[in-house]
Amino acid sequence: DIQMTQSPSSVSASVGDRVTITCRASQGISSWLAWYQQRPGKAPKLLIYAASSLQSGVPSRFSGSGSGTAFTLTISSLQPEDFATYYCQQGNSFPLTFGGGTKVEIK
Amino acid sequence: QLQLQESGPGLVKPSETLSLTCTVSGGSISSSSYYWGWIRQPPGKGLECIGSIYYSGSTSYNSSLKSRVTISVDTPKNQFSLNLRSVTAADTALYYCARQTSSNHFDYWGQGTLVTVSS
Repeated sequence: DIQMTQSPSSVSASVGDRVTITCRASQGISSWLAWYQQRPGKAPKLLIYAASSLQSGVPSRFSGSGSGTAFTLTISSLQPEDFATYYCQQGNSFPLTFGGGTKVEIK
Repeated sequence: QLQLQESGPGLVKPSETLSLTCTVSGGSISSSSYYWGWIRQPPGKGLECIGSIYYSGSTSYNSSLKSRVTISVDTPKNQFSLNLRSVTAADTALYYCARQTSSNHFDYWGQGTLVTVSS
């Protein structure tokens, strides 16, 4: 199985800050990577797919980059509604696997 | 707008079978572009893919659960279902159903249903 490792596991930031989350795959996955946001008590919401494609309706302050084994999710200017947990997920091979999550907390 | 809704018992006894159904509305489960998947999340923990099914009945399961899992589809009812046998407390989780795209990401999710395994 492909292991997905996210860092950091949590980050404290203020409104307006730029936040970057990293996801590493245990083997190359080309660009088969998605990012999700999960607010407390809610289902995950797709933000980014194919490593850098913005899902319809997602604000442009979210962006993704990377290929192979290293990927990043960047929030360019953190908004109050962005405080949540973020997960990466590889779609290169079965079983599909998620990273452990990064919690973005209010500083 | 596509919507998915999980249903099933919230409490299952150890060694019994967990059975959930996902009802899809606002779109057809028979769409050729998508699989339909189950994902779970133990309380306070991360996400785990259980498996997925195509409308034709073709399935893919997480190898760690494969011996206990069956996913089936009922196209006339626009539903798909999860059966997880011989459950233990470790199977206590929020269970989500979701639409899986051809790029193997999940673009629509149900709200999730909590299943507790306890006697």
